[in-house]
Amino acid sequence: AQKITQTQPGMFVQEKEAVTLDCTYDTSDQSYGLFWYKQPSSGEMIFLIYQGSYDEQNATEGRYSLNFQKARKSANLVISASQLGDSAMYFCALPNRDDKIIFGKGTRLHILP
Amino acid sequence: DTAVSQTPKYLVTQMGNDKSIKCEQNLGHDTMYWYKQDSKKFLKIMFSYNNKELIINETVPNRFSPKSPDKAHLNLHINSLELGDSAVYFCASSHYTLNNSPLHFGNGTRLTVT
Repeated sequence: AQKITQTQPGMFVQEKEAVTLDCTYDTSDQSYGLFWYKQPSSGEMIFLIYQGSYDEQNATEGRYSLNFQKARKSANLVISASQLGDSAMYFCALPNRDDKIIFGKGTRLHILP
Repeated sequence: DTAVSQTPKYLVTQMGNDKSIKCEQNLGHDTMYWYKQDSKKFLKIMFSYNNKELIINETVPNRFSPKSPDKAHLNLHINSLELGDSAVYFCASSHYTLNNSPLHFGNGTRLTVT
C-alpha cells in the first residue's frame, strides 16, 4: 500500500535561508506523481509543485524545487531564500491506484525574522 | 473567478442537527472530492465523484451523504451531527487521472458541533 512519511513535525528557519522539508514515500507503482501543498494559517490548501516519477529533471517553480531521489524514494521540497510568508504547514502527497491522494502528516514551518 | 468555492466558510451547530455544505468548481474538472482535516491537520479522503458517479466512498458513517447534481457541484449533507464531526471539510477537484493532475481545493468549511 502507498505510504507517505514526513518526519519533521516542525521546523524553525531564519528568514532568507534555504529550507528543506523531507518527504519519503512507498509505492509499488512504476509511474506515479508526487505533490506538495502549502497550508497557511488562513487555512486554504495551495498546490505548490509536482514531480513525475519519469521526469528527467527535478521540478522547479520559482523559489520551490524538488530534490527527487527515486531510488531512495524521497521527494524533498526545497524553498530558497525563505520569506516570512512561507510560514505554514506543508504537505507531501501521493496518488494511489484507486485515485486517492494520500497526504503526509505535514511539517509546520516557522520563518523567523 | 474563484476556481473551487465552498459555502459556508464557518458552520457552528448543535449536536443532533442536520447541515449541508455546498461546493462548486468552474475548472471543468471531471472529479470532485470531500476531504476531512482533523484537529491534528491530518487530511483524509471521504468521497469522490467522477461525472456525478460515486467512485470513492471511504469508511465514513452513513450520516454523511454526498450528492452531485452535475459534474461541477458536489454537496455534503450531514445528519444527526456529533461532537466528533467537528473538523475542517475541504472540497477539491481534479482531472480524472490523479497521477499528474493536482487537486484544487476550496477554502474549507470549519464545522464546530457543540
